Amino acid sequence: DQQVKQNSPSLSVQEGRISILNCDYTNSMFDYFLWYKKYPAEGPTFLISISSIKDKNEDGRFTVFLNKSAKHLSLHIVPSQPGDSAVYFCAAQGGSEKLVFGKGTKLTVNP
Amino acid sequence: NAGVTQTPKFQVLKTGQSMTLQCAQDMNHEYMSWYRQDPGMGLRLIHYSVGAGITDQGEVPNGYNVSRSTTEDFPLRLLSAAPSQTSVYFCASSTTSGYYNEQFFGPGTRLTVL
Repeated sequence: DQQVKQNSPSLSVQEGRISILNCDYTNSMFDYFLWYKKYPAEGPTFLISISSIKDKNEDGRFTVFLNKSAKHLSLHIVPSQPGDSAVYFCAAQGGSEKLVFGKGTKLTVNP
Repeated sequence: NAGVTQTPKFQVLKTGQSMTLQCAQDMNHEYMSWYRQDPGMGLRLIHYSVGAGITDQGEVPNGYNVSRSTTEDFPLRLLSAAPSQTSVYFCASSTTSGYYNEQFFGPGTRLTVL
């Protein structure tokens, strides 16, 4: 049973527009959420995180929103740039160091 | 500061062979872990360690062994390789506690088992 779900395998947006990547989770014990970005042939790199005591966290062009009642989080990238093209993984933690990852969403930003 | 390093980058094995995937970090991180990434499956936790001498199983531990004799190193052993273990393997580390902390990933080892 998948505890972290990224239902969109891919997303394509135009440069300069907003990219919205979605993530749903089922485990109520999760209280810390992270987004990782992965380029081909490289390891994932940390992008942004949010604790369950917040509903928004912003870092430059990247904002993560958390809706605990809906068990949903989203990553907004504004404005999107071609260098943002990568696979984005949503991950969650709850009660331990173990990270549970979603399957990822491949973002393509077209010039 | 090299961060998290993994060797080898690529490996081809025959069914039944054994090998060790190496992982080292120079950030004095207590928490280290191994993941595998398969197409359409995201990253799945194999084994993890919260400090030297302490290891535990993750989501998909079967067929793999680990040990943690030093803070820096966390090798992953495949005892008898199977085609189902064809995957990309990532090692990660984190500070004193991996909880509420980002984990730093190595560049990965691409393993093919024939």
